[in-house]
Amino acid sequence: DADVTQTPRNRITKTGKRIMLECSQTKGHDRMYWYRQDPGLGLRLIYYSFDVKDINKGEISDGYSVSRQAQAKFSLSLESAIPNQTALYFCATSGNQGPRNQPQHFGDGTRLSIL
Amino acid sequence: ELKVEQNPLFLSMQEGKNYTIYCNYSTTSDRLYWYRQDPGKSLESLFVLLSNGAVKQEGRLMASLDTKARLSTLHITAAVHDLSATYFCAVDRSWGGADGLTFGKGTHLIIQP
Repeated sequence: DADVTQTPRNRITKTGKRIMLECSQTKGHDRMYWYRQDPGLGLRLIYYSFDVKDINKGEISDGYSVSRQAQAKFSLSLESAIPNQTALYFCATSGNQGPRNQPQHFGDGTRLSIL
Repeated sequence: ELKVEQNPLFLSMQEGKNYTIYCNYSTTSDRLYWYRQDPGKSLESLFVLLSNGAVKQEGRLMASLDTKARLSTLHITAAVHDLSATYFCAVDRSWGGADGLTFGKGTHLIIQP
């Protein structure tokens, strides 16, 4: 079983709809992240969370919100989706014991298309 | 603002050849990561470089970090087709008081027989 699980894996929806992408992890990590990947742009950080009570904006948080429901769950919401939010979204985690001595662990991604 | 630049962004090479991918970053950091991504797949960690002068090797790949020059390199020795993938470098944002990674745009590597 995957350590970092994202659902859904693929989603097609219409402009203006509310979308929620979910991420759960079994690694016991405190830190969780959401990134988006666009062709030719690499990955960009949307939000990150150190624990349930600590949520922080990343580089491109406008148009997104997040919820850390538990240590193991971190959801990303698009309140009113727009076409330029079409992208591949990744959730990642990192350890709380010397976290920066370890790489981040990525889920398999959610491919989101907004028509 | 932290910026990370990779070059080249696209590289086509023949099996058996050597090549180097470069990663420059704009602000102080002593932690740099290399990831590999296959088409349609997630990111796989290759190397974690934690200090100036760090060098790590795994098979035909070797990564190094020069924090004074703000430069990391990923060297490929005697390339084989299985190394075809997109390679990303990423820099830790914590030096600036934040968290998470800032990624380069990636190097799309194709290795031809």
